[in-house]
Amino acid sequence: TQLLEQSPQFLSIQEGENLTVYCNSSSVFSSLQWYRQEPGEGPVLLVTVVTGGEVKKLKRLTFQFGDARKDSSLHITAAQPGDTGLYLCAGEYSGGGADGLTFGKGTHLIIQP
Amino acid sequence: GAVVSQHPSWVICKSGTSVKIECRSLDFQATTMFWYRQFPKQSLMLMATSNEGSKATYEQGVEKDKFLINHASLTLSTLTVTSAHPEDSSFYICSAPGRGAGTDTQYFGPGTRLTVL
Repeated sequence: TQLLEQSPQFLSIQEGENLTVYCNSSSVFSSLQWYRQEPGEGPVLLVTVVTGGEVKKLKRLTFQFGDARKDSSLHITAAQPGDTGLYLCAGEYSGGGADGLTFGKGTHLIIQP
Repeated sequence: GAVVSQHPSWVICKSGTSVKIECRSLDFQATTMFWYRQFPKQSLMLMATSNEGSKATYEQGVEKDKFLINHASLTLSTLTVTSAHPEDSSFYICSAPGRGAGTDTQYFGPGTRLTVL
């Protein structure tokens, strides 16, 4: 069973602060996705990273994929109350074919105004 | 972009009854679909892989006789929770892989909230 460790699980910070969420595994990913999920809805894809060392930016969100493709991070700059939500990392492990995703436990983020 | 729908959005049923949940890929074909379960305040857990034209593949610990999966066509997979009990109450989400932004992407449905009384 592949495990994906995500931290922190809960984070509450003030508007304007920066934060980083981490996702780690002992196994190599063929790709890794970050999702955001609102209560009562399905996850919405934020980004997919495929190449080791890859960095992708989405406005105030910066996603990094580790060189060895075993870890990833999500950094939010100047967090806004609208960033509040559940952030999930999910990995697809090397092995070929269409595989279901392994999700981290998620990070419940609350940005206080 | 690719869209996946689920029906119903929410369902309440009595203990012992069966409930069917549909997952449809609206603008693309999916020979494979995935079913996940999410309990409150927890992450998604993969339950099974639905394969068009063949049997579903279940993850360890998931009872195949309780969670019946039928991949009837290239755009439809159904999950039937048989003899549902209160502990089956959960948020069930399906996904289908499609081609997006140059790489394979999982497109998720909006989820189905099941409450078993």
